[in-house]
This record gives sequence, C-alpha cells and structure tokens, in this order.
Amino acid sequence: AQSVAQPEDQVNVAEGNPLTVKCTYSVSGNPYLFWYVQYPNRGLQFLLKYITGDNLVKGSYGFEAEFNKSQTSFHLKKPSALVSDSALYFCAVSGTASKLTFGTGTRLQVTL
Amino acid sequence: EAGVTQFPSHSVIEKGQTVTLRCDPISGHDNLYWYRRVMGKEIKFLLHFVKESKQDESGMPNNRFLAERTGGTYSTLKVQPAELEDSGVYFCASSQDLRERAGELFFGEGSRLTVL
Repeated sequence: AQSVAQPEDQVNVAEGNPLTVKCTYSVSGNPYLFWYVQYPNRGLQFLLKYITGDNLVKGSYGFEAEFNKSQTSFHLKKPSALVSDSALYFCAVSGTASKLTFGTGTRLQVTL
Repeated sequence: EAGVTQFPSHSVIEKGQTVTLRCDPISGHDNLYWYRRVMGKEIKFLLHFVKESKQDESGMPNNRFLAERTGGTYSTLKVQPAELEDSGVYFCASSQDLRERAGELFFGEGSRLTVL
C-alpha cells in the first residue's frame, strides 16, 4: 500500500520569507512523487513531480521540491513567498504514476 | 482549450435519493479519473478509465457507486441510494496518454455532494 503524510494542517509565513511544506511518503519500489495546488474555488493544479534523476525538482511559480530517499520525504519549498501563494497544497505518491495517493493537504497562508 | 468540467458544482439530496455527477474531460485525454475528498481528509482515488474501459476501480467504496464512460468521452458517477457518509467533494481528472506526462492530471473544480 502507498501512503502520504502531510504533518501540518497549516503553514503561516510572511511574504518574502522562505517557505517549506512537508511531505513524507510510503510506497513499494521507486516512488513517483507529486505536488498539486488548489486555489479557492478551483480544481487541483499540477506543480511539479519527481520520477527519477536530480533530487531537486523545479516546478511552476518558483516552487521546488527535494526528494530525500533516506528520509522518505518530498518537501515543497520556495525561497521567497508571495501572498498569491496562499492556497491548499497536496502531496501525492504513486508506484506507477497512474493511481495517485494524496495527502490530507496543507493550507499555506502568506501574510504581508 | 477547455479544461475539465464537472456538473453539478453542488448537489444537496436526502439520504436514499440518487445523484448523478458528470465529468467532461479535456478533449483527447484517454485517461479519466474520479477522486473524492471527504470532510477535509485526504483525496481518495475512486477509479480510472482508459477510454471507455475501467482500468482500475479498486477505490470504489461499494456497489452503490456506478461509474460509466460510454464512448470514451464524458463520464458519469452515480450514487444510488446515497448515504450520509457519501457527502464530500468529487473530483474528476483527465490526462494524456504520454509517458513523459505520467501523473500530470488536470482536475475539474469538483462536485460538492451534501447528503442530508
């Protein structure tokens, strides 16, 4: 079975500061890892993914994520947060990239 | 290009009634998925179509749920009879059948189902 844990229900950060949204996973075999974002009244949007290669993955809107195999983590990061980054962020894992298992989501609140 | 569209956006029904949710995927996307988020919990996989065939329906909770994708275009998800625990947001997603785009799903805005 595959699973994802997002330990923080909410992350608060001031605009301009770096942000981290945490994610750990469990899956058999090599993981496919994803981050999706949901803005209010919108569907989920793909941000970035890790399948193989460089452990640091860059995605949309300046976000990046670091795959750490030993810690089974895939934390989402951004060097400088914007108020417009405020949204609900979901981490997902899959062993095959066809059936994604999502976490419970982390609400990111960026304030001025 | 039109995105994934879902209808209705919100449905309120009484326990025991029937509801049918509809999803129109992005044109040309062979893969279509249904997911559900209940009470702020994780988004759970329900099933996956490839064209009109059910590739994986391991997430369907029970036989009160019936999904169809006739002709490989739009899909419907029927809940009959609805129970209180079926309340939640039902998301539809579609994707291209390209290896380099594996896992990159395009989601609709969701259909919120409230069962009273």
